[in-house]
Amino acid sequence: NAGVTQTPKFRVLKTGQSMTLLCAQDMNHEYMYWYRQDPGMGLRLIHYSVGEGTTAKGEVPDGYNVSRLKKQNFLLGLESAAPSQTSVYFCASSWQTVRSYEQYFGPGTRLTVT
Amino acid sequence: AQRVTQPEKLLSVFKGAPVELKCNYSYSGSPELFWYVQYSRQRLQLLLRHISRESIKGFTADLNKGETSFHLKKPFAQEEDSAMYYCALTMDNAGNMLTFGGGTRLMVKP
Repeated sequence: NAGVTQTPKFRVLKTGQSMTLLCAQDMNHEYMYWYRQDPGMGLRLIHYSVGEGTTAKGEVPDGYNVSRLKKQNFLLGLESAAPSQTSVYFCASSWQTVRSYEQYFGPGTRLTVT
Repeated sequence: AQRVTQPEKLLSVFKGAPVELKCNYSYSGSPELFWYVQYSRQRLQLLLRHISRESIKGFTADLNKGETSFHLKKPFAQEEDSAMYYCALTMDNAGNMLTFGGGTRLMVKP
């Protein structure tokens, strides 16, 4: 099993450009998450999904949109990139609802917006 | 709102020395606490969770509800422990969503 994979690994955008980050998991997990990681701030939840066709906002959702059309995929979109969105983006997945279940993380996508 | 605080951004110790990575939280409900670790060039992964009361790679962490702390400890640090460590919690009405602290980079010198 590949676990959680993310595409692309690196990307450089110019201000105003758009892009989509793809997350895929092969563990049949219900929950999927998108985080951003910034120095000194840890990981902050952008959006999450509790199942196919559902999405919800996390702590820092502004400037991002998401979609979960298939259970195994969770897409993160930036419609008009800004330098403040320069970050490392992590996708994660877990089993449903039970709080103590481990989250499994992808390798990350390093995004630079110039 | 819930918050997780890791007061040290960097902790540097010598091999064989004891290690304590501090984690304090603020949450009025019943949180569940975790430590996640990110080794160089590897994914973020779960190290341990407080409900398991387990010792992983020699690390332990005790939840102290009175002091709202969940410090990570190891009696004798090894060079391979060098990594970024994140404390995290889930709230009792938020499914499995994690709130992370800012992280502490542990450097174990030979």
